[in-house]
Amino acid sequence: DTAVSQTPKYLVTQMGNDKSIKCEQNLGHDTMYWYKQDSKKFLKIMFSYNNKELIINETVPNRFSPKSPDKAHLNLHINSLELGDSAVYFCASSSRYETSYEQYFGPGTRLTVT
Amino acid sequence: AQSVSQHNHHVILSEAASLELGCNYSYGGTVNLFWYVQYPGQHLQLLLKYFSGDPLVKGIKGFEAEFIKSKFSFNLRKPSVQWSDTAEYFCAVGDNAGKSTFGDGTTLTVKP
Repeated sequence: DTAVSQTPKYLVTQMGNDKSIKCEQNLGHDTMYWYKQDSKKFLKIMFSYNNKELIINETVPNRFSPKSPDKAHLNLHINSLELGDSAVYFCASSSRYETSYEQYFGPGTRLTVT
Repeated sequence: AQSVSQHNHHVILSEAASLELGCNYSYGGTVNLFWYVQYPGQHLQLLLKYFSGDPLVKGIKGFEAEFIKSKFSFNLRKPSVQWSDTAEYFCAVGDNAGKSTFGDGTTLTVKP
């Protein structure tokens, strides 16, 4: 029973291409997140959606556009990929009804831009 | 704005040694505090959390952490580490709106 799933697990593409990463959670959570983890393992939040509404939008290039068709899904579309976009992207979810807002992470998508 | 500082970037220990990883946070409101672990090639998993009550929190795999409000600290401890504890450890502080800010992580290497 996968709680938070992401597809694809690996993504290798060339500069300038457009790609999407999908995320789904079956935990019944109302909040979902995208994080970027760089080669030094630093983990930075990119976006957060609560019930399909964008609530956190950190300083991220406009080439990155999240989309939440429903509260169980949060996709990430990236236009005009650049070398610096290479990283592992993690999706996570949480529930505001859990007092602590503990986050559950997906397995990650390793994006390599060549 | 909240921030998290992890003092140790890379810690190397022998098996059976004791572990303490430092974490200090900055936030003006009521905090939720977390330690997550990321084993090699895997995703982040929750080790333990604090949001109220006893400031000494026990987590999985023998880990514990103590919330000291006066020091804005939430240090992670384990009395005797194992080789399988080799991983990346992240401290995080969360607010009541669901936003969590992560520290830069500490790489723990346990030598057999």
